[in-house]
Amino acid sequence: AQSVAQPEDQVNVAEGNPLTVKCTYSVSGNPYLFWYVQYPNRGLQFLLKYITGDNLVKGSYGFEAEFNKSQTSFHLKKPSALVSDSALYFCAVSHRDNYGQNFVFGPGTRLSVLP
Amino acid sequence: DAGVIQSPRHEVTEMGQEVTLRCKPISGHDYLFWYRQTMMRGLELLIYFNNNVPIDDSGMPEDRFSAKMPNASFSTLKIQPSEPRDSAVYFCASSLNRGRNEQFFGPGTRLTVL
Repeated sequence: AQSVAQPEDQVNVAEGNPLTVKCTYSVSGNPYLFWYVQYPNRGLQFLLKYITGDNLVKGSYGFEAEFNKSQTSFHLKKPSALVSDSALYFCAVSHRDNYGQNFVFGPGTRLSVLP
Repeated sequence: DAGVIQSPRHEVTEMGQEVTLRCKPISGHDYLFWYRQTMMRGLELLIYFNNNVPIDDSGMPEDRFSAKMPNASFSTLKIQPSEPRDSAVYFCASSLNRGRNEQFFGPGTRLTVL
């Protein structure tokens, strides 16, 4: 079973509008959650992570994410999108299973910010 | 630190040839990962090492693929013989551990097998 899901392949938003990229997970226990961004022809870059504590996590480039345990979600948000935010976004979950610590990336969501 | 270094950045080869991809992780990181990214299959974990020892190679697609980490600062991913379906971007990443610490990715090697 997939541990992390990103239900939208593509998200389009107008520049200046708020953006949300969704992520849900399906693991037991207390997972660690991550967001990465990939710009064209580049490797993945770490944006932010949730380990414990405050459910609202702030990261690079003005992005933030909210951990919601009851909904098993970790959606990525930004109050005002920039054209330069257009990229591929990956959610990832780290959790302990019967085989040790497991780290799984979601399938990715392509964000297009339209001028 | 310069980050994770990969070489070459681009590789074009003919079917049947041997291909070797190289990676230098960030100094002090205990974990090293090899990923493959394609449009069809997305990002796939091929293998990862902990303290130079291969831990999980279940993602290696076939026996044609092999990976080594002779020391803490160098790893190779070899494909022999290469096939057109191996064409992809191959990423190396490293991290302090596999749990709470993020992975740092290299710029990738774009492999084209003709």
